[in-house]
Amino acid sequence: QVQLVESGGGVVQPGRSLRLSCAASGFIFNSYTMHWVRQAPGKGLEWLAVISYDGTNKYYGDSVKGRFTISRDNTRDTLYLQMNSLRTQDTGVYFCASGYRGGLESPAEPWGQGTLVIVSS
Amino acid sequence: EIVLTQSPGTLSLSPGERATLSCRASQSVTYNYLAWYHQKPGQTPRLLIYGASSRATGIPDRFSGGGSGTDFTLTINRLEPEDFGVFYCQQYGSSPYTFGQGTKLQIK
Repeated sequence: QVQLVESGGGVVQPGRSLRLSCAASGFIFNSYTMHWVRQAPGKGLEWLAVISYDGTNKYYGDSVKGRFTISRDNTRDTLYLQMNSLRTQDTGVYFCASGYRGGLESPAEPWGQGTLVIVSS
Repeated sequence: EIVLTQSPGTLSLSPGERATLSCRASQSVTYNYLAWYHQKPGQTPRLLIYGASSRATGIPDRFSGGGSGTDFTLTINRLEPEDFGVFYCQQYGSSPYTFGQGTKLQIK
């Protein structure tokens, strides 16, 4: 059974950093593209970043480009999101998701349950 | 960046009726790489449709996607109680892979 479990969320002050992790199991992690998506409280979905199966290609959303870095460790079946220079508007639930078939250009499915990040002084 | 605009914002229908949701892109979606997701309150999103018209695994044939270029639709026939919630479209043909703002489907 495919499982994605995010961790690393919490309360952080503006300007500080946080690293999220997503532990994958139940599928061949090193064969799949992976995504990060977030959802601010009561708001819609915002796509953040994608990484290819081998980590060589990465794309980012405009609001996080230059501040967030997506990476993966295929030896540990784990996806990461390094978040620097955090802002209050980065508050939300952060989901990791697998790419659904295909290569780098793939929709997200399945999704983890998410981890909550609150940026506040 | 491709901006996706979904309409209507809210749709009120009864079980058994048909729902038609629209997603319009600010520029053509590469290869029609357009997906639809369903999110119920308190749950994670679930992929319904990819490639504009292909159903994801386990999605009943009451759900169908159509359209190409800049105009896409999601049709849900014979609405069931579990269909209500928020639907999002997403283009994943060109980075950044943007989402629409969502359409809320509520019980009338």
